[in-house]
Amino acid sequence: DQQVKQNSPSLSVQEGRISILNCDYTNSMFDYFLWYKKYPAEGPTFLISISSIKDKNEDGRFTVFLNKSAKHLSLHIVPSQPGDSAVYFCAASEYSGGGADGLTFGKGTHLIIQP
Amino acid sequence: DSGVTQTPKHLITATGQRVTLRCSPRSGDLSVYWYQQSLDQGLQFLIQYYNGEERAKGNILERFSAQQFPDLHSELNLSSLELGDSALYFCASSTYTGNTIYFGEGSWLTVV
Repeated sequence: DQQVKQNSPSLSVQEGRISILNCDYTNSMFDYFLWYKKYPAEGPTFLISISSIKDKNEDGRFTVFLNKSAKHLSLHIVPSQPGDSAVYFCAASEYSGGGADGLTFGKGTHLIIQP
Repeated sequence: DSGVTQTPKHLITATGQRVTLRCSPRSGDLSVYWYQQSLDQGLQFLIQYYNGEERAKGNILERFSAQQFPDLHSELNLSSLELGDSALYFCASSTYTGNTIYFGEGSWLTVV
């Protein structure tokens, strides 16, 4: 049973426009969420995170929104740039107070930025 | 560069064999995690160690085992290898209180 779902395997967006990547989760115990970006043959790179006490977190061109009641989060990239083409993983954890337990990852969304 | 070091980067071995993957966490990080990424799967959590002790276990096969040593480096041992074990194996680390984990470049394992 997938606890973190990214229902779009791929997404194509024109350069300069907004990219919106979506993620749904089923485990109500999750209270910390992260997005990772991964280029081919490289390890995932941490992008941005959000705690369940917030509904929005912004870092430059990247904004993550959390809707706890819908168990849904999204990553907005504005404006999209060619270097943003990568696989984006959504991840969630139950913060135990002693550090990150094993994160549960979605299967990823391949974002393609078209020139 | 995340600061997490994994060796070897690539490994080709035959079915039935045993391999060991090594990971050095970021300086100061006490937690180490192992993940497996197969072609058609996302990142599957295998196991977590904290300061030498096993802390959490995910979808790790009985043929696989791991340990974290006093110097905090970790090893993932894969035995009786099967073709389906071919995958990218990632190590990640985090601080005691950190909720963010940082990944290494991964070890590509090909079983032939």
